[in-house]
Amino acid sequence: EAAVTQSPRNKVAVTGGKVTLSCNQTNNHNNMYWYRQDTGHGLRLIHYSYGAGSTEKGDIPDGYKASRPSQENFSLILELATPSQTSVYFCASGDWDKNTEVFFGKGTRLTVV
Amino acid sequence: QQQVRQSPQSLTVWEGETAILNCSYEDSTFNYFPWYQQFPGEGPALLISIRSVSDKKEDGRFTIFFNKREKKLSLHITDSQPGDSATYFCAAGSFNKLTFGAGTRLAVCP
Repeated sequence: EAAVTQSPRNKVAVTGGKVTLSCNQTNNHNNMYWYRQDTGHGLRLIHYSYGAGSTEKGDIPDGYKASRPSQENFSLILELATPSQTSVYFCASGDWDKNTEVFFGKGTRLTVV
Repeated sequence: QQQVRQSPQSLTVWEGETAILNCSYEDSTFNYFPWYQQFPGEGPALLISIRSVSDKKEDGRFTIFFNKREKKLSLHITDSQPGDSATYFCAAGSFNKLTFGAGTRLAVCP
């Protein structure tokens, strides 16, 4: 099974501060994703990537940036964190061209105070 | 507009019964449908998936039934066990993206 590792697992941030969530995958998957999970909403796609150097907006990109500096790493950046961004964030990876499954990390619980 | 809908929101069954979780979608370009199982405090774990060229996929006690014409699918969990108590998410995928439903919370009573 694909290994997707997120860091940190828990984070408390101050309103207006910058937050970076990191994700690493070791299965050479082209596609990587950032989702947030809130009660009653399931998982909603924030940003995704087709490969190193590419980032695409998902369904709820406002207030977030993403960076894919390498095949293995995909970061989610909150330049000016707000309390509404308090959530659990999940990273995932897969390879659409190879019909692989999409696997998730264990999540990062972010609290913005 | 919710593209992937799940029902019921919550479901309780007795141990040994079959749990049926439903999912429907709107976008006809969706061609890949994974189901994820999530326990509290953990990430979603892939349970079983189906592609739109098939109408049934079975893996042990878990079976997906897929109706492309009606844009509906269901997950059947036979011989339900208390350890199956979790939230189940239906997802639909196309063009490198996965869209999730809001989930069904399943409780299996011993």
